[in-house]
Amino acid sequence: SSELTQDPAVSVALGQTVRITCQGDSLRSYYASWYQQKPGQAPVLVIYGKNNRPSGIPDRFSGSSSGNTASLTITGAQAEDEADYYCNSRDSSGVVFGGGTKLTVL
Amino acid sequence: QVQLVQSGAEVKKPGASVKVSCKVSGYTLTELSMHWVRQAPGKGLEWMGGFDPEDGETIYAQKFQGRVTMTEDTSTDTAYMELSSLRSEDTAVYYCATAASGPNGDYYFDYWGQGTLVTVSS
Repeated sequence: SSELTQDPAVSVALGQTVRITCQGDSLRSYYASWYQQKPGQAPVLVIYGKNNRPSGIPDRFSGSSSGNTASLTITGAQAEDEADYYCNSRDSSGVVFGGGTKLTVL
Repeated sequence: QVQLVQSGAEVKKPGASVKVSCKVSGYTLTELSMHWVRQAPGKGLEWMGGFDPEDGETIYAQKFQGRVTMTEDTSTDTAYMELSSLRSEDTAVYYCATAASGPNGDYYFDYWGQGTLVTVSS
């Protein structure tokens, strides 16, 4: 099965913009979806498809894709955005998740 | 609105089996594509398998084939995941999650259960 690669950790100053990336061959065929997970909680879907947000997700979250790389952008990061972020996509044998990115808001 | 409520924490000995349940409300199980994802302590998310509506079959991650069985009881709208031959590395939080499909054949997991901690220890 394919793999999705994420940077283990990223930091952003409060109110600034941060991009979290996800790379993998499956992303040439399928969109990535993105999940936010806070300690002790289940993951929450924040972006899916080309750039869709589920109801209740702030519009500071957006997604994009180019080639084998998908990106999650948080424009004007807030303290409550500090969390782990995971990408995932379909692949030839099912579903694959990235290793996760720990976002710190300074 | 879909709600998924999972069964409680389990402690099992190596070699035993565990069966985790996931009760659906707000929709019927037949309207959903249920999957299972696990997370070992301090680690990332790992997809285990789930129902593929395109094929009408349950697909399993290669890593778990032969050791995992996912079933559904549509009379009670409850999904089950049974993992056998448990080892210490199976200690993890197990989540059920519903998968939706995009126009590109993408999968995304839009609703999640609260998670069930399974501890494997002698």
